[in-house]
Amino acid sequence: GAGVSQSPSNKVTEKGKDVELRCDPISGHTALYWYRQRLGQGLEFLIYFQGNSAPDKSGLPSDRFSAERTGESVSTLTIQRTQQEDSAVYLCASSLKAIGWDQTYEQYFGPGTRLTVT
Amino acid sequence: KNQVEQSPQSLIILEGKNCTLQCNYTVSPFSNLRWYKQDTGRGPVSLTIMTFSENTKSNGRYTATLDADTKQSSLHITASQLSDSASYICVVSDGNKLVFGAGTILRVKS
Repeated sequence: GAGVSQSPSNKVTEKGKDVELRCDPISGHTALYWYRQRLGQGLEFLIYFQGNSAPDKSGLPSDRFSAERTGESVSTLTIQRTQQEDSAVYLCASSLKAIGWDQTYEQYFGPGTRLTVT
Repeated sequence: KNQVEQSPQSLIILEGKNCTLQCNYTVSPFSNLRWYKQDTGRGPVSLTIMTFSENTKSNGRYTATLDADTKQSSLHITASQLSDSASYICVVSDGNKLVFGAGTILRVKS
């Protein structure tokens, strides 16, 4: 079946504008994760969903960032009033179930959305 | 505070040669350790996942080792190919979330 897809693949926006990034997980995967990857750095966890609820939002950098998931499927990450430091690749991943103790569910990543804030 | 450190940052080797990438971590508690391969412009792809009780796991020409006592892992690539050129990322799970290293960029040249 299809893998994780993300759109758009590239987004250039002006500072101060809002952007929405979309993630379509693998069908049947109940867990969905958002990460940010700045150039030359490791992935930073932002938020994850188990079903449509978000048990852990600890990684969201500020209240300008929000995410939602509907129908245990598509998720959108919204960044309001974008700043230049928001420029990064935003990666989405899904897994059959959420990460948990002694659980080694594979995370499958999408290709990412490259966001550039000018 | 970076809890997963990888070395070297980058590496260039000739096609056909072997190489070993290192990962040290301080993540606690420890649930499992993963190695991912990330091609340029793509999302990471899982290579191996090891739990506390496993000290080696292979996936084709990739062999990962884990020493949970010293909190070290390595990824050994045998008979490298041009397609092995990528970033290799070490990831440690604390049972609730994954902590990612910054990666080692490997370039295999002919």
